[in-house]
Amino acid sequence: GESVGLHLPTLSVQEGDNSIINCAYSNSASDYFIWYKQESGKGPQFIIDIRSNMDKRQGQRVTVLLNKTVKHLSLQIAATQPGDSAVYFCAENRGGGFKTIFGAGTRLFVKA
Amino acid sequence: DGGITQSPKYLFRKEGQNVTLSCEQNLNHDAMYWYRQDPGQGLRLIYYSQIVNDFQKGDIAEGYSVSREKKESFPLTVTSAQKNPTAFYLCASGPGTGTYEQYFGPGTRLTVT
Repeated sequence: GESVGLHLPTLSVQEGDNSIINCAYSNSASDYFIWYKQESGKGPQFIIDIRSNMDKRQGQRVTVLLNKTVKHLSLQIAATQPGDSAVYFCAENRGGGFKTIFGAGTRLFVKA
Repeated sequence: DGGITQSPKYLFRKEGQNVTLSCEQNLNHDAMYWYRQDPGQGLRLIYYSQIVNDFQKGDIAEGYSVSREKKESFPLTVTSAQKNPTAFYLCASGPGTGTYEQYFGPGTRLTVT
């Protein structure tokens, strides 16, 4: 079926290390992907997005990689900080905001 | 200070009562959305509205109702017909349903006992 999933429900990293959060999607028609960060008790915040005509996009300390061949998306966080501790969602979109499908999320723990 | 506000942050109700969750935005966005979030699950779309006085059911609309009388406001009513109403409810807005951008409010945690 159509779904957005995550390989790992939790990820624990040492402060200063790089983090990689993975996501699989199943619909090759999806043309837009978004990563959100959600801190406990708060709404999701946009981190970075990528369109299907791109393989890589970089932001501040974050990089999103898209592999359309295997329908895989990843979020890389450089020099992970305690403030990065949160749940990270990937989402896929097939033509408009109301068609956004969210994954269940990966919880990132940053150890000091 | 632009953004989306939801109130209250925590809400407690007895089973059988209807309850209305508030969502207001001053971003001048046409589209607004309501999502439900349960532990360990992704966001699921309840209702969305593309424009004032228009709204559409999402994936899990049963037991919920909405109104969109003003561009800035999109209240959600959780009715007694909703079998499992306890959840975290998130409101979002965006420039339009044809665009991908969504900006989320802080959420309301509803507990029904």
